[in-house]
Amino acid sequence: DADVTQTPRNRITKTGKRIMLECSQTKGHDRMYWYRQDPGLGLRLIYYSFDVKDINKGEISDGYSVSRQAQAKFSLSLESAIPNQTALYFCATSEGDPRQPQHFGDGTRLSIL
Amino acid sequence: LAKTTQPISMDSYEGQEVNITCSHNNIATNDYITWYQQFPSQGPRFIIQGYKTKVTNEVASLFIPADRKSSTLSLPRVSLSDTAVYYCLVGPYNTDKLIFGTGTRLQVFP
Repeated sequence: DADVTQTPRNRITKTGKRIMLECSQTKGHDRMYWYRQDPGLGLRLIYYSFDVKDINKGEISDGYSVSRQAQAKFSLSLESAIPNQTALYFCATSEGDPRQPQHFGDGTRLSIL
Repeated sequence: LAKTTQPISMDSYEGQEVNITCSHNNIATNDYITWYQQFPSQGPRFIIQGYKTKVTNEVASLFIPADRKSSTLSLPRVSLSDTAVYYCLVGPYNTDKLIFGTGTRLQVFP
């Protein structure tokens, strides 16, 4: 979905480095999410945000932090990257009504050596 | 949240109708059923959502029997571009916590 942009698309880094993945959206949605996907597995929720002042932990938040800088921007940080955080990371947005579908970006492929 | 079970993979040929069934035996009264599609190197994309009976849109149909313990995503006349992973999700109206299982990998052959 071109309305949800993730940067970078690919990143290779070393263990112990701090990494920031960024997500921006032009859909005007209040809700934003970060997921990770491992090979052969479904997506798992890391963090989600209902608005700028509302941040919530998801299923697997340990080792990650987030920042909602504005309605349109939601970044994910790995303070000290470790190899088992190698995965495909997706950002998504949705309208205020949770019955509305989520719109995903095209992902960031992160490799930690 | 209700657990879902789907076939790991399915094969089809262009022009055929494909039906992917999802089992959700412990679905709750306030749960609804949503299907997403994911192409390689892309994020999941919403296909269809329903609560009971049948729902149809321009892409697919969703059949839900009266007991709601399963649902079937129907893709009419598939093409090569329908090759993707299809996820069945079950959850209540008031949650943002989508639970994606491993999905069904559909391969369409010419």
